[in-house]
Amino acid sequence: EAQVTQNPRYLITVTGKKLTVTCSQNMNHEYMSWYRQDPGLGLRQIYYSMNVEVTDKGDVPEGYKVSRKEKRNFPLILESPSPNQTSLYFCASSLLTGGGIYGYTFGSGTRLTVV
Amino acid sequence: GIQVEQSPPDLILQEGANSTLRCNFSDSVNNLQWFHQNPWGQLINLFYIPSGTKQNGRLSATTVATERYSLLYISSSQTTDSGVYFCAVDSGGSNYKLTFGKGTLLTVNP
Repeated sequence: EAQVTQNPRYLITVTGKKLTVTCSQNMNHEYMSWYRQDPGLGLRQIYYSMNVEVTDKGDVPEGYKVSRKEKRNFPLILESPSPNQTSLYFCASSLLTGGGIYGYTFGSGTRLTVV
Repeated sequence: GIQVEQSPPDLILQEGANSTLRCNFSDSVNNLQWFHQNPWGQLINLFYIPSGTKQNGRLSATTVATERYSLLYISSSQTTDSGVYFCAVDSGGSNYKLTFGKGTLLTVNP
């Protein structure tokens, strides 16, 4: 089944403790991206990647890192989480064509709470 | 940047009723998608529809790109249709970012 898999689904952590949210897709998509969803602010793009070793900042990259060492994986790293990073996080992937992306597929989400 | 407006913001239906959700966008788009966010928070892709009409079971969608709007039709609604419906567009920037509307909260009562 074609899918984007995020782990964990739920995470409660303490301020300053480094964490990684994993994301993997099995569709051989070039494009991957991370979003966060917050009440009143909607979904905002954190980082994106056009292909292996090609990543760039989205609208809200502060406090986050990403890497794209393999095509299928795009982990989100919080080096020193803070309470304002409490949010619902989504990973997404898409086929990249000459005309742009061909629709996003989102993972199931990771609900992160930083205390 | 591009603006995406959805209406109505809230909608309450009885099971079996039909509904139409609207999405207006302020500029030309390369990509338009409709998503359903279920009560568990998952974002389910309903349609990739930058133009034209598509149908999938009880759901159908139409995008009129020249007039910058899209419609999502839900027929014979069921309680499992409850949740938030988002329209999202990609206006062609180099980051292929999706800009989401604020959503329509649909409640279907038995």
